[in-house]
Amino acid sequence: RKEVEQDPGPFNVPEGATVAFNCTYSNSASQSFFWYRQDCRKEPKLLMSVYSSGNEDGRFTAQLNRASQYISLLIRDSKLSDSATYLCVVNYLNTDKLIFGTGTRLQVFP
Amino acid sequence: NAGVMQNPRHLVRRRGQEARLRCSPMKGHSHVYWYRQLPEEGLKFMVYLQKENIIDESGMPKERFSAEFPKEGPSILRIQQVVRGDSAAYFCASSPSFDAGTSYEQYFGPGTRLTVT
Repeated sequence: RKEVEQDPGPFNVPEGATVAFNCTYSNSASQSFFWYRQDCRKEPKLLMSVYSSGNEDGRFTAQLNRASQYISLLIRDSKLSDSATYLCVVNYLNTDKLIFGTGTRLQVFP
Repeated sequence: NAGVMQNPRHLVRRRGQEARLRCSPMKGHSHVYWYRQLPEEGLKFMVYLQKENIIDESGMPKERFSAEFPKEGPSILRIQQVVRGDSAAYFCASSPSFDAGTSYEQYFGPGTRLTVT
């Protein structure tokens, strides 16, 4: 079983749609959680950290459920520029290495 | 404020040659990480370094790969006697000081795309 699992997609949605991505992680010792986005042939860019209480940044909302070992990302009012691969990332207590999911691809069309 | 810098951006090597990838962390960051992304796969952790110290190399292949972060200058990821399977994107990330019990976000450089012919 992969340490971080994501639906690879692709998710094809029209502009203005709301789309949600899910992610599960296997190690209950996971401590920190992040969503990164990666454009084709570019580096991952930090989108947001995910906190137990959930957090929102503009059109983006992230949720964490430690009991179910589940993380989600909600994107409202999708823009063409949101088209990218979204990476679910965790790291373990007292370690620094990030564990990446393989990503979920989003394509927003006009 | 410059971000994480990596060079070269593209590197072509023939089988058996050596590849040297360089990474300068973001200003104020003392921790450097190397990750590898094979085609159509997720990023995989390779090694974590601080100045003059390798902290965690659990993701490094046992042979041919080495990394350093000298007191002066960039971090270097070195691959000796490259093989076709080493073709990948190699990303460097940096973060500020790490305290036990906390975790800081990592910021990535643009990567080096290594092609072995």
